[in-house]
Amino acid sequence: NAGVTQTPKFQVLKTGQSMTLQCAQDMNHNSMYWYRQDPGMGLRLIYYSASEGTTDKGEVPNGYNVSRLNKREFSLRLESAAPSQTSVYFCASTASGAYNEQFFGPGTRLTVL
Amino acid sequence: QKEVEQDPGPLSVPEGAIVSLNCTYSNSAFQYFMWYRQYSRKGPELLMYTYSSGNKEDGRFTAQVDKSSKYISLFIRDSQPSDSATYLCAMSARTTNAGKSTFGDGTTLTVKP
Repeated sequence: NAGVTQTPKFQVLKTGQSMTLQCAQDMNHNSMYWYRQDPGMGLRLIYYSASEGTTDKGEVPNGYNVSRLNKREFSLRLESAAPSQTSVYFCASTASGAYNEQFFGPGTRLTVL
Repeated sequence: QKEVEQDPGPLSVPEGAIVSLNCTYSNSAFQYFMWYRQYSRKGPELLMYTYSSGNKEDGRFTAQVDKSSKYISLFIRDSQPSDSATYLCAMSARTTNAGKSTFGDGTTLTVKP
C-alpha cells in the first residue's frame, strides 16, 4: 500500500516549456486534489476531482489543466510554464466519510527559469 | 479576508515547553476541524481531528474547538525536538462538498533541545 505517489520529485523547466505532473493513489479514494505551496502562503487548491470523470477549478487554476484518467490517477499539466509557477506541488486524495482527512503525496519541487 | 486565519509564527520554544497553536475562521458551516503536521520537505499528514465543539486529547496533543468564538487551538505538552514541523489547521463543512478542506497558512514550530 503506497498511498499517494507523485512523479517526478524534482523538475527544472525553462519559461514556455510544458510538462505533466503525475499522481496516483491506491486507497480507492473518490476525490483527488492538486495544491501548490509557496512560502508563507499555505496550501492553495489548483484543481480537484470529486469523482472519476469530473474535475473542477480551485482557488488558483490559471495556467494549469488536469485530467482524471481513472479512479487512481489525476494529472496536472502546465502548458506553458512561467516563473510564477515555481512552487512545490502536492497531490492529495480523500475518501467520502465522516470527515475529510486528506492523504498527501510527497510533493514535486518545480523550478521555472 | 481569508476564511481561515492562522497565527503565522514562526514559533521557537525550549524542549519541554507547552505550545499553543491557533486558528480563527469565519465560515459558520465548518463542522470538521483538523490539524496536519508537515515535516520539512514532506507532505502534510493528519495529526488530529475534531467534530463540532469540544476537546480531544491524544497523548501530548490536545485539540480544542470553540465554535461560538470560531476559534480552534492545538496544544502540545512537553514539547520535543521531534515536534519541530509546520502545523496546518484545516476545516470542512460537509462530506458532500467533494471532500474539500480549507487550510490555514501554517505555523512553523522549532523545539530546541
